[in-house]
Amino acid sequence: AQKITQTQPGMFVQEKEAVTLDCTYDTSDPSYGLFWYKQPSSGEMIFLIYQGSYDQQNATEGRYSLNFQKARKSANLVISASQLGDSAMYFCAMREGMLLGRFYFGSGTKLNVKP
Amino acid sequence: DSGVTQTPKHLITATGQRVTLRCSPRSGDLSVYWYQQSLDQGLQFLIQYYNGEERAKGNILERFSAQQFPDLHSELNLSSLELGDSALYFCASSVRRDRGDTQYFGPGTRLTVL
Repeated sequence: AQKITQTQPGMFVQEKEAVTLDCTYDTSDPSYGLFWYKQPSSGEMIFLIYQGSYDQQNATEGRYSLNFQKARKSANLVISASQLGDSAMYFCAMREGMLLGRFYFGSGTKLNVKP
Repeated sequence: DSGVTQTPKHLITATGQRVTLRCSPRSGDLSVYWYQQSLDQGLQFLIQYYNGEERAKGNILERFSAQQFPDLHSELNLSSLELGDSALYFCASSVRRDRGDTQYFGPGTRLTVL
């Protein structure tokens, strides 16, 4: 079974609107971390946001928030007020187990922001 | 800028050759990870080092090897190169106490095997 599943290969959003990128994960370990990364066309991988499995509140970082639904094993990324510069590939990732555990990445979602 | 450096940025070589990719982690980071990103296989974890010791192995071919040196920089050696080894190779570093062991990625080395 896939550890991380991103079911949206590509998405479009209108500039200034909010968009949700889906991510589901699979683990039986009670301790894990969830991450989102952005990869623009230039190729670098940029860390966006982190959520720990024991965190009670959803993580937020500026315009990014992580909608963490533990029972459903989902960790969707919400980008508010989309900007043209948000057009990129977005990867969901999970660190399984305690710190220094192995990372698993999803296949990514390509987001296009339309002016 | 993540603080992770990788050299070279681009590398073009021929099949059968051997190359070495270099990574310097962020200051204070003890862990280094190597990933391969190709168009058809996404981001594949290769290997992880922590403070000089191999910590975890992923989908790393036997033709590939890596090491982390006492100054914490790491090298990924790719030998007997094949066309299918053409990919973007990322190094990432992390430190345990930072945001759940968040990995910060270098800019990558784009390898083209002709």
